[in-house]
Amino acid sequence: EVQLVQSGAEVKKPGESLKISCQGSGYTFSTYWIGWVRQMPGKGLEWMGIIFPGDSDTRYSPSFQGQVTISADKSITTAYLEWSSLKASDTAMYYCVRRQYRWNYFDYWGQGTLVTVSS
Amino acid sequence: EIVLTQSPGTLSLSPGERTTLSCRASQSVTSNYLTWYQQKPGQAPRLLVYGASSRATGIPDRFSANGSGTDFTLTISRLEPEDFAVYYCQQYGSSPQTWTFGQGTKVEIK
Repeated sequence: EVQLVQSGAEVKKPGESLKISCQGSGYTFSTYWIGWVRQMPGKGLEWMGIIFPGDSDTRYSPSFQGQVTISADKSITTAYLEWSSLKASDTAMYYCVRRQYRWNYFDYWGQGTLVTVSS
Repeated sequence: EIVLTQSPGTLSLSPGERTTLSCRASQSVTSNYLTWYQQKPGQAPRLLVYGASSRATGIPDRFSANGSGTDFTLTISRLEPEDFAVYYCQQYGSSPQTWTFGQGTKVEIK
């Protein structure tokens, strides 16, 4: 069974750093792209970026380029989303997703990680 | 960048009714890379339809979708209580690689 299991909720202060994770199982992790999707409170879905764990090829949405860093460690089948300096506007639910290459959709979603940034 | 506009924003309907949700793209969607997701409160989105018209595994046949180019629709033939949710369309663009979501249509109980 394919699963994407994300790390738990985080409460941080503005200016702090954060790295959240997404561990894949039930499939060959290194052969599927893993993406990240943001959902701000009460709002819609926004694609942030995507990584191919096999070679760490990474693409970012222009809206998120330079704001976050996406990485992966295929040896432990885990992808990461990282901030170096959080802002209150980063408060959101973050989902990791697996890309299905043939039709370019996201077939599996993690359960979400809620990040709250507040002073 | 392609913008997806979903309409209406909210639908107030009763169980058993039929409904059609619209997703319009600002430019033609490449190769029908148009996907629909369903999201219930407190849950992650769930894949419903990919390739503009192919139902994902386990999705009931009361859900159907079609369209091409810039106009796409998702139809629920007979609303069940579990279908009240928010529905998002999404498109993929290849140059550069981007995934764009519509703003969502909320289907609520009347």
